[in-house]
Amino acid sequence: EVQLVQSGAEVEKPGTTMKISCKVSGYTFTDFYVYWVQQAPGKGLEWMGVVDPEDGETIYAEKFQGRVTITADTSTDTAYVELSSLRSEDTAVYYCAIGSGAFLRYFETWGQGTLVTVSS
Amino acid sequence: EIVLTQSPVTLSLSPGERATLSCRASQSVSGSYLAWYQQKPGQAPRLLSYGASNRPTGIPDRFSGSGSGTDFTLTISRLEPEDFAVYYCQQYGSSPITFGQGTRLEIK
Repeated sequence: EVQLVQSGAEVEKPGTTMKISCKVSGYTFTDFYVYWVQQAPGKGLEWMGVVDPEDGETIYAEKFQGRVTITADTSTDTAYVELSSLRSEDTAVYYCAIGSGAFLRYFETWGQGTLVTVSS
Repeated sequence: EIVLTQSPVTLSLSPGERATLSCRASQSVSGSYLAWYQQKPGQAPRLLSYGASNRPTGIPDRFSGSGSGTDFTLTISRLEPEDFAVYYCQQYGSSPITFGQGTRLEIK
């Protein structure tokens, strides 16, 4: 069974950097791209970026460019998203998801989500 | 960037009725690369349809997607109690990947 298990909820201070993990199992890590999606409270879904675990290549959404870093560790089958210079508007649930075949893809399986609260 | 507009924002129906959800794109979606997701409170989204009309394994056949170009539809033929949720469309034909703002399907 394919599973994506994300790290637990976090509270971060404004101006700091968050880092969330997404550990996958049930498939070969390098066979699927890993995506990250942001969902602010009561709002819709926003794509942040994607990583190809095979070679580490990434594409980021323009909104997050310069503040986001997505990586993949093939030794632990875990993907990460870092978001720097946090502000209150970054309070959201962050999801990882996987898709195959191309960077631009639908998301076949999702993690359970990680709530990040940015508050002083 | 392709903007997806979903309508209606809220749809109130009863179990057993037919639901029709619309997703309109600001420009043509390349390859009909349009997906639909269902999201229930406190849960991650679930893929219902991809490539405009393909259904993943395990998705009931009461869910059907259709459309091309700029106009897409998700139809739920006979609503079950568990179908009341928020539905999102997503285009993945061009970068950046974008989502619609969602349609809330509520019990009448």
